[in-house]
Amino acid sequence: EPEVTQTPSHQVTQMGQEVILRCVPISNHLYFYWYRQILGQKVEFLVSFYNNEISEKSEIFDDQFSVERPDGSNFTLKIRSTKLEDSAMYFCASTQSRASDSPLHFGNGTRLTVT
Amino acid sequence: QKEVEQDPGPLSVPEGAIVSLNCTYSNSAFQYFMWYRQYSRKGPELLMYTYSSGNKEDGRFTAQVDKSSKYISLFIRDSQPSDSATYLCAMSAYMDTGRRALTFGSGTRLQVQP
Repeated sequence: EPEVTQTPSHQVTQMGQEVILRCVPISNHLYFYWYRQILGQKVEFLVSFYNNEISEKSEIFDDQFSVERPDGSNFTLKIRSTKLEDSAMYFCASTQSRASDSPLHFGNGTRLTVT
Repeated sequence: QKEVEQDPGPLSVPEGAIVSLNCTYSNSAFQYFMWYRQYSRKGPELLMYTYSSGNKEDGRFTAQVDKSSKYISLFIRDSQPSDSATYLCAMSAYMDTGRRALTFGSGTRLQVQP
């Protein structure tokens, strides 16, 4: 079964550094998402992306964050200057459409540790 | 009041038991309701999805939605040790451009004892 793949599985970075988290969504999917889960807390929505632009974003997704689909397969989340509180699991997800019966498929996440 | 509330557990049951997992919500705009299962160090995996009040069954799983009470449930029959995981409820509203992003509950950790 096709799946969403994320790399790396674990990223350690120093505060203030830039990180790029990478995702390869399922090939025929058109809508892409980033969610994050701070240890012990809820899965939280960050941003959705369609047709090469952001379609929705949360309050968490501030100017430090950006997303890009640099080619036909990758979808990236960039954090420009990481803070300690950015430490979390970051999940990429994709879906074929935003129709009510189109399921959201998640990757296994990238664990980001900011020291 | 939180938008979605879910008892974090942990919930420990013997193998073969019927498990009941629940969420309440406050946002009446939510129309789509999902249950995800999350194993340790893995991403959420969709189990059940529904958008109407009532019951929906899939194998050992039954999802129940009561929009008037803003209450959703997931029942697992004949629970197995392999069902041990964290169960997340999630819901979303609808806007003109389609379904909105998901709002998750905090998850209930389930342990099924052999």
